[in-house]
This record gives sequence, structure tokens and C-alpha cells, in this order.
Amino acid sequence: AQRVTQPEKLLSVFKGAPVELKCNYSYSGSPELFWYVQYSRQRLQLLLRHISRESIKGFTADLNKGETSFHLKKPFAQEEDSAMYYCALSGLGNAGNMLTFGGGTRLMVKP
Amino acid sequence: KAGVTQTPRYLIKTRGQQVTLSCSPISGHRSVSWYQQTPGQGLQFLFEYFSETQRNKGNFPGRFSGRQFSNSRSEMNVSTLELGDSALYLCASSGGTGYGYTFGSGTRLTVV
Repeated sequence: AQRVTQPEKLLSVFKGAPVELKCNYSYSGSPELFWYVQYSRQRLQLLLRHISRESIKGFTADLNKGETSFHLKKPFAQEEDSAMYYCALSGLGNAGNMLTFGGGTRLMVKP
Repeated sequence: KAGVTQTPRYLIKTRGQQVTLSCSPISGHRSVSWYQQTPGQGLQFLFEYFSETQRNKGNFPGRFSGRQFSNSRSEMNVSTLELGDSALYLCASSGGTGYGYTFGSGTRLTVV
């Protein structure tokens, strides 16, 4: 079975402060990890995927297989980063595409 | 290119009725999956189709079903609606493993 845990439902920081949204997963095979973001009244959007090792809007995430974590980080939060963030897992190489989502973390960046 | 399109955006149905939701994936995407989003349960996987075949199914009762057409468009159907089926139903399409999933805006279903 695959499981994704985001321990914080709400994370509140001041503008300019560093941000770390935690994500831990449980999966017996090779995972494919994603971060999705949902801004107010907008659709769910792909933010990052671990395979591409990219940085989007200043956010980065590194897959740590030893700790089974995929934490999302940004050194300096901006007010426009306020949104709902979801960590998601898919089985790499599986015959089908199925995402398991964490419960989400609401990030509030205060001015 | 156009994104994932879901219709209708909003639906209000009565308990016991059935409903059909539609999803048009991004052109060229052959994988279409469906998710239910509720405040209590979060985002839960319903099923995934690829080339008109269901490849994965989530833990939902048989009242929830779906299909995919030869042009990759997909529909999901919920029969004998219950109050607990009220949710935002999201469709996502993918161009393949590693490419991620693009989501539609969803259909908000309210069962009264």
C-alpha cells in the first residue's frame, strides 16, 4: 500500500522567512513524487516532480529515500505563495498512473 | 494547447438519481484519471483509464463507474446518489510516466 503524510495542516510564516512543507511517504517500490499547489479559486497545478529536479517559483524538493521524505522548501516566502500544497506519490514504472495524495498543508504568508 | 476540460462545472442532484460527468484530456494524452475531493477525506483516487481500458481502480463502491472513448475523452457515472457523494470531482490527464498529471477545474456535485 502507498501512503503520503503531510503532518502540518497549516503553516503560517512571515514574508521573507524560509518555508519547509513536510512530506513523508510509504511505498515498497520506486516512488515518483510530486508537489501540487492549489491557489484560491484555481485548479490544482503541478509544482514540482522529483524526476526533473527542477526549481519552480523558487521552490525545491529533494527525494530522501533513506528518510522516505520529499520536503518542499523555499528560502524566502512571498505573499503570493499562500495556497494549499499537496504532496503526491505514484508508483514509478507501474502499468497504471495512480496518484496518492497527502492531506495537504495550507501555507499562509503574512506581510 | 488547451487544458483538461470538465463539464458541467456545477451539478445539483437528488438522492437516488444518477449523474454523468465528462472530461476531455489534453490533446495527445491517453491516460485519464478521476479523483474525488472532499473536506473530510481530501483527494481520493477513483479510477484511471488508458486506451479505453481501466488500469486502476480506487476503493469506491460499484456505484462509481467510468469509461473512456477512442478519442481519450472520459466519462464517470455515479448511480443511486447518496448525500455523501457531494464533492468536487477532478479529472486529470497524463502524457506518460514521469510527466505528471494535469488537472481540470472539476465538477462540483451537490446531492440534496
